[in-house]
Amino acid sequence: KAGVTQTPRYLIKTRGQQVTLSCSPISGHRSVSWYQQTPGQGLQFLFEYFSETQRNKGNFPGRFSGRQFSNSRSEMNVSTLELGDSALYLCASSFEKGNSPLHFGNGTRLTVT
Amino acid sequence: GQQVMQIPQYQHVQEGEDFTTYCNSSTTLSNIQWYKQRPGGHPVFLIQLVKSGEVKKQKRLTFQFGEAKKNSSLHITATQTTDVGTYFCAGRPSGGSYIPTFGRGTSLIVHP
Repeated sequence: KAGVTQTPRYLIKTRGQQVTLSCSPISGHRSVSWYQQTPGQGLQFLFEYFSETQRNKGNFPGRFSGRQFSNSRSEMNVSTLELGDSALYLCASSFEKGNSPLHFGNGTRLTVT
Repeated sequence: GQQVMQIPQYQHVQEGEDFTTYCNSSTTLSNIQWYKQRPGGHPVFLIQLVKSGEVKKQKRLTFQFGEAKKNSSLHITATQTTDVGTYFCAGRPSGGSYIPTFGRGTSLIVHP
């Protein structure tokens, strides 16, 4: 099976711009979660989607949003970028909720200048 | 909300020495998972513990889940340079949300 695919791998944006990141989960996985990873804060949960519905949301401002399509592919969007949004954004898919392990993609490294 | 503390933050060892990282949750967990992230890589699932007092082994790695299901540990015997990376625990709370909370991770540096 192909793993979780995230595009692009690297992005450089300036403050105030917006960005869209894409994630294709493992075939058959319907749950997609997004995490922000920074050296200071570790892995912070952004949101989780299942069957095109956001089921859970972390403590991030409304500038962070996402969606999931009928084929389980997911996108996240960050509007009005701030310097502090520079991070590695990881997408993880899982078969279901509960005890299913998370399968992470390689991430998108976002740098905001 | 739920907090998961992981210590130490960093650990330097000589190749062949043992290594242990500890994870403590502020609330009772339904399960705990462990992940490894190599430098420049992404977290990779290692194992999941579900039962109180559970102990699982993977070659030189030993994982334990506490009796109260609030703490866990990962022990590596005779470290090798291939063990280098950051080890994360992720605890799912009992009842309520099933979204795991990750510890900050322990970065293991192995000196040859």
